[in-house]
Amino acid sequence: AQSVTQLGSHVSVSEGALVLLRCNYSSSVPPYLFWYVQYPNQGLQLLLKYTSAATLVKGINGFEAEFKKSETSFHLTKPSAHMSDAAEYFCAVSDDSRGGSQGNLIFGKGTKLSVKP
Amino acid sequence: SQTIHQWPATLVQPVGSPLSLECTVEGTSNPNLYWYRQAAGRGLQLLFYSVGIGQISSEVPQNLSASRPQDRQFILSSKKLLLSDSGFYLCASKSGGQYTEAFFGQGTRLTVV
Repeated sequence: AQSVTQLGSHVSVSEGALVLLRCNYSSSVPPYLFWYVQYPNQGLQLLLKYTSAATLVKGINGFEAEFKKSETSFHLTKPSAHMSDAAEYFCAVSDDSRGGSQGNLIFGKGTKLSVKP
Repeated sequence: SQTIHQWPATLVQPVGSPLSLECTVEGTSNPNLYWYRQAAGRGLQLLFYSVGIGQISSEVPQNLSASRPQDRQFILSSKKLLLSDSGFYLCASKSGGQYTEAFFGQGTRLTVV
């Protein structure tokens, strides 16, 4: 079965600094991977997704993620943090063993990003 | 894209009272539907999912139940709420295959007092 692990429940960066949020996956088949962002008291919004078309995936708000099969990783980065990036970020993998033809999404525990002025 | 309507946004209920949260979906047909719960520091816990009308899979044993009376309607219920049912409840929809993302509603903050 597929799973994801997010390293670090809290990450703090200064405004303008690099953002790096870590996600490692476990999957016996080529995975479909996703990053979501959640602002306080709101639902989740898709940042980007990997579906095997390209290993470097660009998303909204200047975020990108690189799929590295050899490291089983899908880390999320942004070159320069902005105050508005403060939120919780979730990595997810599609689980083809449940949910029929759609598959279910399996989420990591989330990483809360703080941005200091 | 899909739009997920979820209400109410906040709810305060006494212990032992019933619960009904409703979720409706626009912009797709025959989706998978999901109920997740978020408790502080515990990430997203999948409670129920449904692959079609009347088909419900429970992921964890609990005090809650779910129903799908129509293709794009998903309801989360309880006959008697417990304090431990407090949390942030999210409805989600997914369709188009395994490579597609799920769309989420804005959530319901439930506080059981």
